[in-house]
Amino acid sequence: KAGVTQTPRYLIKTRGQQVTLSCSPISGHRSVSWYQQTPGQGLQFLFEYFSETQRNKGNFPGRFSGRQFSNSRSEMNVSTLELGDSALYLCASSSRLAGVYNEQFFGPGTRLTVL
Amino acid sequence: KQEVTQIPAALSVPEGENLVLNCSFTDSAIYNLQWFRQDPGKGLTSLLLIQSSQREQTSGRLNASLDKSSGRSTLYIAASQPGDSATYLCAVPSGSARQLTFGSGTQLTVLP
Repeated sequence: KAGVTQTPRYLIKTRGQQVTLSCSPISGHRSVSWYQQTPGQGLQFLFEYFSETQRNKGNFPGRFSGRQFSNSRSEMNVSTLELGDSALYLCASSSRLAGVYNEQFFGPGTRLTVL
Repeated sequence: KQEVTQIPAALSVPEGENLVLNCSFTDSAIYNLQWFRQDPGKGLTSLLLIQSSQREQTSGRLNASLDKSSGRSTLYIAASQPGDSATYLCAVPSGSARQLTFGSGTQLTVLP
């Protein structure tokens, strides 16, 4: 069974640009969560999608948005990039709503560098 | 608000040693606790998931315990190997149980 895949693996952008990251969950998994990892803040929850609906959102500005498609693939968009957005962005999939009794499986991440 | 703490932040041991990593959480009303491993610049690999009704979970040389009442979990690694070198993170569901709150991790180095 293929794991969680994320594309692209690496991105370099400049301030003010926007970026779209993609995540394909494990086959059969319908919940996709996104996390940002930085050396200073560690791992922080961005949002979670289940059945094409955002179910939960972390404490991030509106520049961070996402969506989920009918095949459970998810995209995350960051507009008007800032230097502080440089991070490793991880997505996780689970078979049901994230959290309760469910193991979460993470992808390899997308390393975003904002210059 | 759930807070997760991992001590020590870094640990260096000689190969073959048994070791224990610690994780503590402030809100004991958790559904489960998950241990992950992260290699430099890579994603997270799930090691063990302990449900709130369980006290222990084992996988190979790894054994994780959970004591909800004291807000603690430990990850025991037996007969450590250089390939075990990585950062180990624990995480618990929080809020409406739809997001994970992570500790800051323990960076383990196993010396050959």
